[in-house]
Amino acid sequence: EVQVVESGGGLVKPGGSLRLSCAASGFPFSSFSMNWVRQAPGKGLEWVSSITSSSSYIYYADSVRGRFTVSRDNAKNSLYLQMNSLRAEDTAVYYCVRGNSGYYDYWGQGTLVTVSS
Amino acid sequence: EIQMTQSPSNLSASVGDRVTITCRASQSVSWWLAWYQQKPGKAPKLLIYKASSLETGVPSRFSGSGSGTEFTLTITTLQPDDFATYYCQQYNVYPYTFGQGTKLEIK
Repeated sequence: EVQVVESGGGLVKPGGSLRLSCAASGFPFSSFSMNWVRQAPGKGLEWVSSITSSSSYIYYADSVRGRFTVSRDNAKNSLYLQMNSLRAEDTAVYYCVRGNSGYYDYWGQGTLVTVSS
Repeated sequence: EIQMTQSPSNLSASVGDRVTITCRASQSVSWWLAWYQQKPGKAPKLLIYKASSLETGVPSRFSGSGSGTEFTLTITTLQPDDFATYYCQQYNVYPYTFGQGTKLEIK
C-alpha cells in the first residue's frame, strides 16, 4: 500500500525555521518525483515545490524561492522541506505528494505549520 | 504563470442531479489537466488525470473532458458522498497551478 506521512510541523515565530519530513513506503520511491503542496486555513491549494526522482531538477513557487529548500534521500525513502525566514503567510497545512507523470496521485494527511509570535 | 479559473465557485445541487464544473486555463495546457476532490479536514484525492482519464477506483459517474484551455468535470447522479470541494490543476508547465476550487453543497 502506498503511504506518504509528513512530520515536523508546529508553531514557529516569524523569521524562524522549520524542517518538514515525509516518509514514503509501498512504492519505489527513487522512481517518482515528489512534491509539496500547501493549503492555508480556509483557502485553496498552492503548489510549493517539486523535486525529480534523482534530484536533477528542482522547482519552487515564487512565494517560497530563496527561503525554502526541498531535498530527498532515496536511500531512506524520505522527502524534506527546509523552511527558513518563515512568515505569517506561510501558515498552512503542508502536504507531501507523489508525482506520477505530472499529476499528483498520492497525498499525505498533511502537517500544520503555524507562523505566529 | 498559467492562471486556472473554475466556475462556479459554489454550486448547490441535490442527490441524483447531474453537475458540471468548468476549468479554464489562461493559455493552453494541452491535455495536462487533473481534477481532485477534497473533503473537510482531509487531503485531496485524485479523480481525473490527463483531462479525461479516470483514476483507478474512482466511480464511473465522474468524467472529465476538454483540451487546450477549457475543461469540464461532470458528475452524473450525485451521491451524498460527492458533496465536497473540487479543484482542477494544470501540470503542463511549472509552476503547476490549481484552480480556486468549486464547493459543491447539498441543496
